[in-house]
Amino acid sequence: DSGVTQTPKHLITATGQRVTLRCSPRSGDLSVYWYQQSLDQGLQFLIQYYNGEERAKGNILERFSAQQFPDLHSELNLSSLELGDSALYFCASSTSRGSGFYGYTFGSGTRLTVV
Amino acid sequence: AQSVTQLDSQVPVFEEAPVELRCNYSSSVSVYLFWYVQYPNQGLQLLLKYLSGSTLVKGINGFEAEFNKSQTSFHLRKPSVHISDTAEYFCAVSPMDSSYKLIFGSGTRLLVRP
Repeated sequence: DSGVTQTPKHLITATGQRVTLRCSPRSGDLSVYWYQQSLDQGLQFLIQYYNGEERAKGNILERFSAQQFPDLHSELNLSSLELGDSALYFCASSTSRGSGFYGYTFGSGTRLTVV
Repeated sequence: AQSVTQLDSQVPVFEEAPVELRCNYSSSVSVYLFWYVQYPNQGLQLLLKYLSGSTLVKGINGFEAEFNKSQTSFHLRKPSVHISDTAEYFCAVSPMDSSYKLIFGSGTRLLVRP
């Protein structure tokens, strides 16, 4: 157990639908990162939050949005889903207050299948 | 900006043989360096990291990596691999600033054969 919790582990949904993926970071970590991993695109950085505020944006589609709540958990919302959105979505956390940067701790991912 | 190149998409090797997975990076500022491993159907797990100090870094499962600043490389090595080392390996760099950003390479699949 890495300490980063992602739910659900698997999700199957139809095209055009909307889903929400949830991430609880490791205790004390302030930063949350979302990544998409697909066979053809590899590991793609989507978005980063630090202590509730958006810090950096990567290759995130306009149909996707995220937020980080006061308790530091984060949600990734995917809407108007397309077949090509089928992928593994990872959450990672880092940066405990005052501890410096030692890399990311990843969750086990949510496998999204759009049918 | 930073970038990471893992030239080998797949490395086949026989069990108990040594292996080296190559990683080169590009950056205009100093960086921290990382190797992550991803076993099938799992998340990424930190193998080792270079933050400062000795350029030879030892990690979990018998892996080690050497930071070479002049070559801008951070190759991963293991003297004797096991079947259980079959996995995807990702090299990553992070600029030494307050961005806490991690830039990943495209990954190298290590395939260990009996």
